[in-house]
Amino acid sequence: DQQVKQNSPSLSVQEGRISILNCDYTNSMFDYFLWYKKYPAEGPTFLISISSIKDKNEDGRFTVFLNKSAKHLSLHIVPSQPGDSAVYFCAASRGRVNAGGTSYGKLTFGQGTILTVHP
Amino acid sequence: DTAVSQTPKYLVTQMGNDKSIKCEQNLGHDTMYWYKQDSKKFLKIMFSYNNKELIINETVPNRFSPKSPDKAHLNLHINSLELGDSAVYFCASSQDLVIDYGYTFGSGTRLTVV
Repeated sequence: DQQVKQNSPSLSVQEGRISILNCDYTNSMFDYFLWYKKYPAEGPTFLISISSIKDKNEDGRFTVFLNKSAKHLSLHIVPSQPGDSAVYFCAASRGRVNAGGTSYGKLTFGQGTILTVHP
Repeated sequence: DTAVSQTPKYLVTQMGNDKSIKCEQNLGHDTMYWYKQDSKKFLKIMFSYNNKELIINETVPNRFSPKSPDKAHLNLHINSLELGDSAVYFCASSQDLVIDYGYTFGSGTRLTVV
C-alpha cells in the first residue's frame, strides 16, 4: 500500500524549458511534504519543502505547489538546466516532528521520477 | 569531508551469512536513520535513533538489528541473509526530530545476496 506515488517514471525536457514533476498521495493525514534530488551513486539531497498551510513555496528556480483537495503536489523547475538531470523523489509526513513510535514525522517516499534535461 | 558516510559501498554475500553496514555522520546531528530502497525504488524507513535511543522500529524482520554506540554512528547488522534482502540501504541523519530541512543521506550500500 504505497501512500505516495510518482506515476511518471521519467521526464525529458529541453534546457531552458520548465520541468514539472508530479506526486500524488493518499493519506489525508499527511501535512508536510518534501522533494529530494538524487544523482547516481549518491544519496538523496533535500531540495525544498512545503507545509499544508501553504499552497506554494519557492526557492530560486524551484517551486513546489500543493493541492490538498486533490492530494497532489508538483515541483516546477524553471529554467531547467542539464545539471538538474537526476532522480527526483517526493516525500510526505504527518507532522513535522518525529514523535517516535507513532506515525508522526516519518517520511514516506515516492518511487522517484528520472528527469533528463537535454542541452 | 563526507557528511554521512557508509561502508561498504557494495556488498555481495551468500545466503545465510551475517553482515554489517556501518554509518557515521560528522554533522553533529542528533537523529539517524536507516532506509531501504527496494526493487521498485521506494525508499522505506527501517529504523530511527535519537541520541542513541531507538525511536522508530518499522515492521522489519528481527534478523535486522541496528546499533548506535554514540550519536554519530548507527550501524546495521543483518543475520542469516536472504535473497529478498538484496537492496540499496541508505543511512541518513537530521539535526533533531524536526524534519523541516529534511535528512542528509549517505551514498548508499548496495547489498546483493546470492
